[in-house]
Amino acid sequence: GAGVSQTPSNKVTEKGKYVELRCDPISGHTALYWYRQSLGQGPEFLIYFQGTGAADDSGLPNDRFFAVRPEGSVSTLKIQRTERGDSAVYLCASSIYRNTEAFFGQGTRLTVV
Amino acid sequence: EDQVTQSPEALRLQEGESSSLNCSYTVSGLRGLFWYRQDPGKGPEFLFTLYSAGEEKEKERLKATLTKKESFLHITAPKPEDSATYLCAVQPARGPLGAAGNKLTFGGGTRVLVKP
Repeated sequence: GAGVSQTPSNKVTEKGKYVELRCDPISGHTALYWYRQSLGQGPEFLIYFQGTGAADDSGLPNDRFFAVRPEGSVSTLKIQRTERGDSAVYLCASSIYRNTEAFFGQGTRLTVV
Repeated sequence: EDQVTQSPEALRLQEGESSSLNCSYTVSGLRGLFWYRQDPGKGPEFLFTLYSAGEEKEKERLKATLTKKESFLHITAPKPEDSATYLCAVQPARGPLGAAGNKLTFGGGTRVLVKP
């Protein structure tokens, strides 16, 4: 597609459940980022992939959060044992190379009830 | 630790009333400063990248400028369609392990409402 695609657009889950959020980056973009945005705040960095490898995962809040990008394209953010505090919009972005401008998807709104 | 502070938090303008948004930052070596626009329910939309003090970039009614400590986004004669949240972010020259920086650190944004 023309832009970064994220699915689902909305996800409601019960506390303690496991969720997966998917990101399809712009074709040919080698760098992929995950951010989390709470209401009224700016996006907060979670993890960065260069190709298939996680080059910087310093933003992941704890070991319940994990992300993969097995073939260097699509990425999945996985959250185990969800908590109400995980509720936020999860944004994915991609860029051609590591230090060029990043283009964002529309986000997945996660609500943990 | 990189920090970005945007002011004001919210701005209400009449159509045609020009104004400026401020982005103050601290970073251990700046690779780039980015401005994004975000509409409700959407992801941030890229506007500008500034790399060095004194640099300016323009797009329609928007002009971004950069100094060593802050950036300004000037909105000239705004229209209602300029209503959005404007986000500023910095990218460091080096990451925590000394490799080239990658992640963006964002400010909290300025919510702009332009009334007709």
